[in-house]
Amino acid sequence: GAGVSQSPRYKVAKRGQDVALRCDPISGHVSLFWYQQALGQGPEFLTYFQNEAQLDKSGLPSDRFFAERPEGSVSTLKIQRTQQEDSAVYLCASSPLGNTEAFFGQGTRLTVV
Amino acid sequence: AQSVSQHNHHVILSEAASLELGCNYSYGGTVNLFWYVQYPGQHLQLLLKYFSGDPLVKGIKGFEAEFIKSKFSFNLRKPSVQWSDTAEYFCAVTPSNFGNEKLTFGTGTRLTIIP
Repeated sequence: GAGVSQSPRYKVAKRGQDVALRCDPISGHVSLFWYQQALGQGPEFLTYFQNEAQLDKSGLPSDRFFAERPEGSVSTLKIQRTQQEDSAVYLCASSPLGNTEAFFGQGTRLTVV
Repeated sequence: AQSVSQHNHHVILSEAASLELGCNYSYGGTVNLFWYVQYPGQHLQLLLKYFSGDPLVKGIKGFEAEFIKSKFSFNLRKPSVQWSDTAEYFCAVTPSNFGNEKLTFGTGTRLTIIP
């Protein structure tokens, strides 16, 4: 019974570098969410998938942020031309459809230097 | 849009003390309410949730929360804390309408229990 798995756990990127963060949700979970958690803050919503469809991307802070879930399971959050303000923990969560209990991964801590 | 306020940023208690963490939300419609906990080095875990019905909900590890609609509040309580309750606690809300399940979180309360 694996939970939500995220990789890498830690990522250091030089400013301007592109990064890709991976999320493996719980098998069978239809809904997948990405959140950004800055230091000392609560998680903030980035985007939501139902299977492969991205139904809500209202939280993505800029067009440098892009997320995909092409086969309705694994998801990737890509950040292009990283900037220092992108430094945060990126959390992935999944849930069965219609069940609002989200199961979170341990997150990827991104540090942009 | 909804918002969540947690007024206590850092709470320090001795073991066996009683705990109450405040949570207030702002939203024009009906909501589902949650408390999540993050133990050091671990992922966010659900403590308890309120969807409807009895406004006093019980969760894991002896925690409970009371939904007071007139006050837009969902405070977390525990009668006697343990050292193992040291963690960060997040209150969160989603609109009740199906299909919009994204969580809006408060800024969190760090709880430190002194043995």
